Formats: sequence, C-alpha cells, structure tokens
Amino acid sequence: DTGVSQDPRHKITKRGQNVTFRCDPISEHNRLYWYRQTLGQGPEFLTYFQNEAQLEKSRLLSDRFSAERPKGSFSTLEIQRTEQGDSAMYLCASSLDPFGLASTGELFFGEGSRLTVL
Amino acid sequence: QQPVQSPQAVILREGEDAVINCSSSKALYSVHWYRQKHGEAPVFLMILLKGGEQKGHDKISASFNEKKQQSSLYLTASQLSYSGTYFCGTEASGTYKYIFGTGTRLKVLA
Repeated sequence: DTGVSQDPRHKITKRGQNVTFRCDPISEHNRLYWYRQTLGQGPEFLTYFQNEAQLEKSRLLSDRFSAERPKGSFSTLEIQRTEQGDSAMYLCASSLDPFGLASTGELFFGEGSRLTVL
Repeated sequence: QQPVQSPQAVILREGEDAVINCSSSKALYSVHWYRQKHGEAPVFLMILLKGGEQKGHDKISASFNEKKQQSSLYLTASQLSYSGTYFCGTEASGTYKYIFGTGTRLKVLA
C-alpha cells in the first residue's frame, strides 16, 4: 500500500459547474477526513467518516458540498454549482482508530486535489 | 475552538533553536505535531498523549501540559530542512472533528 491517493490532482472548472474528487485511503484505515486548505492557511475541517458512517460535518459546508464513503473504502467529495470562493486545495486524510494498540491516531494525508474555479 | 499557535512566523539561521507553542481553550487529551512544506501535504512528526509528557525525534522534541492546555515544539540546532509550516493537531473536545492550530511558518536560512 503506497498511502493515501487523491484524484484528480488538479481541476480547473467554470463557475457553476459540478466537480467530484476521489480519495483512496490506506486500506486498513477506518477513519477518513476531508479538509480544505487555502494559501497561507491551515487545513480546515470539512467532514469525517468512520468506516461508511459520516459522523461529523462542518457547518462551513453549505448544501452544495456532499461527501460519501460507500462500503467504508474510498470516498468522494462533490461540490455542486461551484463558486470562485471554492478555489482551494482539498485534502483527504486517513487514520486508524487511536485507541488501537498499533495506532497513534496520526493522520496520513494524500497529495491533495487543487481546485481552480474561473 | 481552533488551537492558537505562537509565534505566527519565525526566521532562524542554521544551528539556532526555536520554540513553537500551541494553546487550546478546550481540554486537550492528546496533541499531534505536523510539518507542511510548501506545495506538499502535512506530515506527522510526533504525538503527545499524557500531561507533562515529553517526546523527542532527532533534534525535534515536544512537551504537553494538560493542565495548561498547551503543547510546545522544540527545534534544536535547526537545519535547512526544518523550514515549513508547523501545525499542532487535536480532536476537538466532544466531537469527531480533528482540527489544526493556526500554524507557525518557520524559515531556516543558511
């Protein structure tokens, strides 16, 4: 397993279009997070999955954002009717349950998907 | 609820030391530290699990004071490779949100 992978790495779209990002976590990781990061800022929490259940969702997410993790494996983040303010790096991270003996709960990040909305 | 880090930015010469602080208004049960280089994803450095715990990794170490709801990262004899933005990370109390501090930009000059 080579780590967390995200696709696409770059996406340029016109305002109003829908975009979807995919994240493949490390296979044995049951926790999956999505973050948004803009230049000079830290990662901003968007949503959290434990296996297939979405247990936490930021109020920052408007109804234009939706995320899924069917079968507790890969995850998708969809943004509908994109706006210029959605331009950012979208980071996915996965981790093991920190209460497990073999885990520190550290997050392993993918390389990110950079979105540019024109 | 976001942990506040200080300083916001620091510039060092190679070989100098630095301390980065992370303070939370809510109880902290564990703290992770990450480093993010420009254009890359954050990379885990270490975890602090118990109050008063100190851990070390090469010339980078950290402490965690549960009572003060603070953690500090110590960079000793800094190297050029230490440049980047440092974030503390923790699970927000009472939620499943894993959140990051405000970040500290560190630049090491030759």
